[in-house]
Amino acid sequence: NAGVTQTPKFQVLKTGQSMTLQCAQDMNHNSMYWYRQDPGMGLRLIYYSASEGTTDKGEVPNGYNVSRLNKREFSLRLESAAPSQTSVYFCASSEGTGNYEQYFGPGTRLTVT
Amino acid sequence: QKEVEQNSGPLSVPEGAIASLNCTYSDRGSQSFFWYRQYSGKSPELIMSIYSNGDKEDGRFTAQLNKASQYVSLLIRDSQPSDSATYLCAVLGRALTFGSGTRLQVQP
Repeated sequence: NAGVTQTPKFQVLKTGQSMTLQCAQDMNHNSMYWYRQDPGMGLRLIYYSASEGTTDKGEVPNGYNVSRLNKREFSLRLESAAPSQTSVYFCASSEGTGNYEQYFGPGTRLTVT
Repeated sequence: QKEVEQNSGPLSVPEGAIASLNCTYSDRGSQSFFWYRQYSGKSPELIMSIYSNGDKEDGRFTAQLNKASQYVSLLIRDSQPSDSATYLCAVLGRALTFGSGTRLQVQP
């Protein structure tokens, strides 16, 4: 039982390049989330998916897109990376509908030069 | 005003002491509250959730919630050096909103 997994662990991009961050959970959770964490800013919600087939914007969605591929997988895409997107990205999941305890993946450390 | 506020610290306590971490929030309608622990370079780990006014105890950890005053706190009894980490308070409104965290240092 791996919980929440994320790939890759580290990534360096040049400005303008694109990439997709992958997230998968094996806890049969309905809801999944993408956060970014910057020094002194705490965790900020980028996008979330309350259930399979739905996605919604969070606090900082600009420059990102998401896909809820199935119940297990939720990906985050940067179409044209910018230095301001240098951050640590965390995926999380929760049962949803009455139980909102979120469990986090190990994170992806992204640097955009 | 930030939605969830925490003192950034560091809060330094000696080994064996009680560490008290505080958090205030602005959304009066919030119903669910969580404490996460995050070691440097690692992901947040859920340690406590609390939904009702009063205290909730789990081992050395006690979460306290006062909705009228809009604060939630975490007490760590018999603090150990391994408790040294950043503690994040999270409050559920429309979405889960995190504070910036309090860094705790437990001195051996």
